[in-house]
Amino acid sequence: GAGVSQSPRYKVAKRGQDVALRCDPISGHVSLFWYQQALGQGPEFLTYFQNEAQLDKSGLPSDRFFAERPEGSVSTLKIQRTQQEDSAVYLCASSRWTETGLYGYTFGSGTRLTVV
Amino acid sequence: GENVEQHPSTLSVQEGDSAVIKCTYSDSASNYFPWYKQELGKRPQLIIDIRSNVGEKKDQRIAVTLNKTAKHFSLHITETQPEDSAVYFCAASIRRGGTDKLIFGTGTRLQVFP
Repeated sequence: GAGVSQSPRYKVAKRGQDVALRCDPISGHVSLFWYQQALGQGPEFLTYFQNEAQLDKSGLPSDRFFAERPEGSVSTLKIQRTQQEDSAVYLCASSRWTETGLYGYTFGSGTRLTVV
Repeated sequence: GENVEQHPSTLSVQEGDSAVIKCTYSDSASNYFPWYKQELGKRPQLIIDIRSNVGEKKDQRIAVTLNKTAKHFSLHITETQPEDSAVYFCAASIRRGGTDKLIFGTGTRLQVFP
């Protein structure tokens, strides 16, 4: 597609509920990133995929957070047993990647998660 | 550790004046430094970027400078306009285990008064 697409745009979850957030990257972008952006803060790195391989998940805040990209295209970020502190905007970004670094790094519009 | 510091956190200028935002990074291996503009409720939009093999890059009213020795880079906006009002984020690439990720600064809220 023309850009990075995320769905849903907004999600309200009751505390303890599981949620799944979807990211559809730009076609041909092998690198895919998930970030968490709390209100008034910069994006915080969560995890990174190169094709279907999850190469870095050091930013996932707890084992309640799980991400996958089984076919190297669409990715899903799952949060189990949501807590109020999980409320944030979850941003997905995709990029081309070469040995010299990142190219064409583009963000999606994000999913605003509110846990009540 | 991986860290990008950004200042000031807020910046108010009169229309037509210049605005400067500064960032420092900790990883000397960082080689890519983008700047993003984020309007309320919208996605971060890339406005300019620089790679470590150049010291300065300009695009119309926007310029970025990079000092690799001091590990800092700056965004310069000249002839500011009210539509420049937004939150600006700097970022630096970090390479670990063959993968690249961006580490973001904490943001600068720029307000341009007419």
